[in-house]
Amino acid sequence: DAGVIQSPRHEVTEMGQEVTLRCKPISGHNSLFWYRQTMMRGLELLIYFNNNVPIDDSGMPEDRFSAKMPNASFSTLKIQPSEPRDSAVYFCASSSTSSGSNEQFFGPGTRLTVL
Amino acid sequence: AQSVTQLDSQVPVFEEAPVELRCNYSSSVSVYLFWYVQYPNQGLQLLLKYLSGSTLVESINGFEAEFNKSQTSFHLRKPSVHISDTAEYFCAVTLSSGNTPLVFGKGTRLSVIA
Repeated sequence: DAGVIQSPRHEVTEMGQEVTLRCKPISGHNSLFWYRQTMMRGLELLIYFNNNVPIDDSGMPEDRFSAKMPNASFSTLKIQPSEPRDSAVYFCASSSTSSGSNEQFFGPGTRLTVL
Repeated sequence: AQSVTQLDSQVPVFEEAPVELRCNYSSSVSVYLFWYVQYPNQGLQLLLKYLSGSTLVESINGFEAEFNKSQTSFHLRKPSVHISDTAEYFCAVTLSSGNTPLVFGKGTRLSVIA
């Protein structure tokens, strides 16, 4: 298996622009998680889906952030408009409820820089 | 709610010396415990996990961690470190019921000195 795939790996944009991050979970996994990593706050959950349904989005910073999972093999995280404080590494992770271990597999991350 | 405390933000250690990275957690319900490792500019990789059973769990590269319920700890140890162990290590918990998010500690940066 190719593992969790994220794109782009790096994104540099200017304040006010729309940013879309993409994630392809491991085939057969039915849970998907978006995390953000910053120096100040460490790793934080933004949102997660079970069977394509958003379960908890309380970690989404504000209305500028939105996430979708239109099918089992694709999810997007959108920031509109972006701000410099959104600069961080965004990780997508997936897991399978059938595994019984709650082990999450992480993608390589998208490093976002907002100028 | 669950929380994780990693007591040391940075741990420098000489090559071939032993190391312990400390982790304490808080939860009112049953949890699973994990250690993840992050090498520079990479994603997180699972190092080891405790779900149930034996309180001592081991990884393939010589790390081990012991679950201590009374002290709510899950410290990570290695008897002899290598340069290649230099990385950031994250302790995390998740509820043992259902596929729920990980709650991470702030991380410990292990620097192995030649």
